[in-house]
Amino acid sequence: QSALTQPASVSGSPGQSINISCSGLSSGVGSYDFVSWYQQYPGKAPKVMIYEVSKRPSGVSNRFSGSKSGSTASLTISGLQSEDEADYYCCSYVSISTYVFGTGTTVTVV
Amino acid sequence: QVHLVQSGAEVKKPGASVKVSCEASGYTFSGHYIHWVRQAPGQGLEWMGWINPERGDTKYAQKFQGGVIMTGDTSTNRVYMELSRLTSDDTAVYYCAYAVGIYSWFDSWGQGTLVIVSS
Repeated sequence: QSALTQPASVSGSPGQSINISCSGLSSGVGSYDFVSWYQQYPGKAPKVMIYEVSKRPSGVSNRFSGSKSGSTASLTISGLQSEDEADYYCCSYVSISTYVFGTGTTVTVV
Repeated sequence: QVHLVQSGAEVKKPGASVKVSCEASGYTFSGHYIHWVRQAPGQGLEWMGWINPERGDTKYAQKFQGGVIMTGDTSTNRVYMELSRLTSDDTAVYYCAYAVGIYSWFDSWGQGTLVIVSS
């Protein structure tokens, strides 16, 4: 299973909204809605921001939201803040109990 | 609150093996999974596989089949990831991560273990 495809970088100004796409997911009958998103700061372990496509863990800002359409999932960060500068990875359950990560996206707040 | 603590950094020679441990606290292993994910320098996350420590079931990514073994010790709440026949391409930070079920997300992560493979 090849890595899911994400844009290498996305940038935005403070207060703006940005979207990060994650393509290559299974779609249609037999697809899974087990897509999650992780935020990672340099030198730190990843942290889950979204799970099961659109659910937010306790403690994660409601500025983060997720969705899925067909074979592409998206992470939206609204009201962009400087602290949102980080790498973001999508991850999906694939099949026969395996998982795959996306290629990763660096978010820059300009 | 699940807390995972991993063993320290390792330096290995090509062809050797490495065994990284991950100790869990704040929950029991029952019904849960520990995944291993690695990240080469400057690269993205790569899923390696999982173990259900209570049952001993494992599932490895195709790339790592034949080269990785994941084991668990329920008496000490520790899991282990052993990677053999190391090459320089295995230089990476290795993370363990906790998942509540087989269809799940990675809810808590260890701090990471740097493994350097160098002659």
